[in-house]
Amino acid sequence: DAGVIQSPRHEVTEMGQEVTLRCKPISGHNSLFWYRQTMMRGLELLIYFNNNVPIDDSGMPEDRFSAKMPNASFSTLKIQPSEPRDSAVYFCASSSGQGGNEQFFGPGTRLTVL
Amino acid sequence: SQQGEEDPQALSIQEGENATMNCSYKTSINNLQWYRQNSGRGLVHLILIRSNEREKHSGRLRVTLDTSKKSSSLLITASRAADTASYFCAYKGGGFKTIFGAGTRLFVKA
Repeated sequence: DAGVIQSPRHEVTEMGQEVTLRCKPISGHNSLFWYRQTMMRGLELLIYFNNNVPIDDSGMPEDRFSAKMPNASFSTLKIQPSEPRDSAVYFCASSSGQGGNEQFFGPGTRLTVL
Repeated sequence: SQQGEEDPQALSIQEGENATMNCSYKTSINNLQWYRQNSGRGLVHLILIRSNEREKHSGRLRVTLDTSKKSSSLLITASRAADTASYFCAYKGGGFKTIFGAGTRLFVKA
């Protein structure tokens, strides 16, 4: 298995633009997580899906952030409009079960908003 | 904040020495996990210890858990330069959310 796949690996955009991050979880995993990592805040859970259904989105910072999981093999995290403070590394992770099990992380997307 | 706390925040040791990192948490837990993150990479799972376990080994790693003190420690024996990374504890309390600590940055000098 190729592991969790994220794209793009790097994204540089200007303030106000829409940004879409993509994730393909490990086949057979039914839990998917989106995290944001910054030096100031560390690793923050943004949203958690189980069986394609959003279970906990309390970490989504504001309405500018939205996430979807249309099927078991694909998820997107969208920021519209983007702001400089959204600059961070965004990780997608997947696991089996309902959370609390080992999570497999993707390589991350480094987002820079100018 | 529910975030776990880890200490030290940073640790610098010589190759061959042992490295000990500590994690404290605030809630009752089902299990506690340790992850490693190399610079510019995603986190990699190292070891999971359940709430009814007190110690667990995996290669050069030894993890202890003291639920009465709500704390865990990760010991890396005979450290190598390749162990240089950030180490995070993570735990699942009630509900679905896994909570990650702030991490310990370990630097092993060759």
